[in-house]
Amino acid sequence: DTGVSQDPRHKITKRGQNVTFRCDPISEHNRLYWYRQTLGQGPEFLTYFQNEAQLEKSRLLSDRFSAERPKGSFSTLEIQRTEQGDSAMYLCASSLAQLHAVAGGPETQYFGPGTRLLVL
Amino acid sequence: AQSVAQPEDQVNVAEGNPLTVKCTYSVSGNPYLFWYVQYPNRGLQFLLKYITGDNLVKGSYGFEAEFNKSQTSFHLKKPSALVSDSALYFCAVRGGNAGNMLTFGGGTRLMVKP
Repeated sequence: DTGVSQDPRHKITKRGQNVTFRCDPISEHNRLYWYRQTLGQGPEFLTYFQNEAQLEKSRLLSDRFSAERPKGSFSTLEIQRTEQGDSAMYLCASSLAQLHAVAGGPETQYFGPGTRLLVL
Repeated sequence: AQSVAQPEDQVNVAEGNPLTVKCTYSVSGNPYLFWYVQYPNRGLQFLLKYITGDNLVKGSYGFEAEFNKSQTSFHLKKPSALVSDSALYFCAVRGGNAGNMLTFGGGTRLMVKP
């Protein structure tokens, strides 16, 4: 399977616990994105990396959230002291940005299956 | 700020009939527009995108979308719906001045009945 993978697919935790999710992007994709999707809503952008550098962060990403991409390959998203409002689907996407491409326009983001988090 | 509106929570269509899922957007700069589909318990699957050029964009599974700059719309269409097209459809925009993030609409559930 050469798509974006995420682990775990499901996580149930108690309020106040820490959780960590992992995302493995499509091989050689240099950009990696995290989104959050609550029930009945569209995905909302959280943060993105270009290689190992975290370049954008949403205001949604509170101090309890931290993301890393240490070697420019897989990424982890950690939520500390989880709250019931953190219950959502966490989606990862990756893309290949051709920085020196002649043609303009954004590359396509390809999404993984998501990690569904339930905070009790 | 950029935004996307999908005015219909649900669209019902009979199998074999044409379908349209509506999307309007608001961005600064040139808009880059995307359609994704989401099946139950699965991630988003890319259908098509508009960058520039021809206003009619063709994508996967027989879907197409028409970009209309004056109406700031990017409606998704298919000439003949299949029951298997039943899913949740999301329109997304990336504005030229807004970095690399995608802003999604709230989604439209498409129900195709046999």
